[in-house]
Amino acid sequence: GAGVSQSPRYKVAKRGQDVALRCDPISGHVSLFWYQQALGQGPEFLTYFQNEAQLDKSGLPSDRFFAERPEGSVSTLKIQRTQQEDSAVYLCASSLLQEAFFGQGTRLTVV
Amino acid sequence: GESVGLHLPTLSVQEGDNSIINCAYSNSASDYFIWYKQESGKGPQFIIDIRSNMDKRQGQRVTVLLNKTVKHLSLQIAATQPGDSAVYFCAETSASGGSYIPTFGRGTSLIVHP
Repeated sequence: GAGVSQSPRYKVAKRGQDVALRCDPISGHVSLFWYQQALGQGPEFLTYFQNEAQLDKSGLPSDRFFAERPEGSVSTLKIQRTQQEDSAVYLCASSLLQEAFFGQGTRLTVV
Repeated sequence: GESVGLHLPTLSVQEGDNSIINCAYSNSASDYFIWYKQESGKGPQFIIDIRSNMDKRQGQRVTVLLNKTVKHLSLQIAATQPGDSAVYFCAETSASGGSYIPTFGRGTSLIVHP
């Protein structure tokens, strides 16, 4: 596709369950970003990759959060032992230069 | 879809009016600023950007003004239309390792009444 694709669009997880969120960036985009957006708030930075290298993970809220981009294209954000406070929309973006293009996000609800 | 406008500052305008959305940023070292539009259930969409060495930039129906002295950014939308209803975020960026990482402000919900 032409844009950033994220899957699944919606995920309901039971507290304590592990989840994996997928991001397919725009082909050729070097940089890939993950953000967390709580209801009524702006997106909060989690981590970013340049190709396969994770250059900044300062925004990851705990060691339960893990992101990878092994071949410098598709990325996965994994959350272990989900908790209710993890409920949010997780946005992925990719960029070649200054402009970041966002996917539609994955809405995670932890029950 | 669920609104991302809850608990956000809200601007209500009539169709055809001009809208002005304001944003304060925090990092005086930011060298690039972007306005994003986010509709319900969608990701942020790029509207317009401006570099820190500029104070004004115009696009189609939109103008961004940058005042570095008071660290203030504004987005002006001319002849606002119902399709402009959305949440608007400003984002500041600075280069990091060759990439520009957007840092988002809180956002403003724009409601356009027909």
